[in-house]
Amino acid sequence: DIQMTQTPSTLSASVGDRVTITCRASQSISNWLAWYQEKPGKTPKLLIYKASTLESGVSSRFSGSGSGTEFTLTISSLHPDDFATYYCLQYVSYSRWSFGQGTKVEIK
Amino acid sequence: QITLKESGPTLVKPTQTLTLTCTFSGFSLSTSGMGVGWIRRPPGKALEWLALIYWNDDKRYSPSLKSRLTITKDTSKNQVVLTMTNMDPVDTATYYCARAGYPNYYDYGMDIWGQGTTVTVSS
Repeated sequence: DIQMTQTPSTLSASVGDRVTITCRASQSISNWLAWYQEKPGKTPKLLIYKASTLESGVSSRFSGSGSGTEFTLTISSLHPDDFATYYCLQYVSYSRWSFGQGTKVEIK
Repeated sequence: QITLKESGPTLVKPTQTLTLTCTFSGFSLSTSGMGVGWIRRPPGKALEWLALIYWNDDKRYSPSLKSRLTITKDTSKNQVVLTMTNMDPVDTATYYCARAGYPNYYDYGMDIWGQGTTVTVSS
């Protein structure tokens, strides 16, 4: 089974900062990776799918990159609304799916 | 408009079996490439992927919970049911269902989620 290692687990940043979160897969998943944002009391929201495709309606300050085993989510300039927890999800067709452990983005 | 809604008990006793139903609209599980998945989030912990069923009745389960989970679909009713046996207090969580796409049919993984239902396991 494919394990996802997400780092860091917590990130302290200020409004306007550039933020990068990484997910590493235990084996190649091509580009079958999605990123989600979760806020307290809210349903997780799809931000990026297929590693780098921005979901409709999501701000362009979010971007994703990577393929194979290493992936990153970048927020180009942190907005107050972006303080949340972020998760990666691998979704290959031939195996079970799995989430990373999450990254909480906190106000510095 | 695509919607999903989870339903089931809010409180179960240890050792009991939990049955959750996901009722959806705006898509069909008779469409090639479509699927519905289940995810949970224990309080203070990370999202955990549980199970997935595809249009062709292909079923996938979390390896750590596989012996306790069963996922089924009723295409005519637009419902997916997840059962989890031998419930324990550590299974206390918010349980979500979500629309899922089979890679290469649909690229988005799980795009639309239900609002979630909170399940507490306690005697």
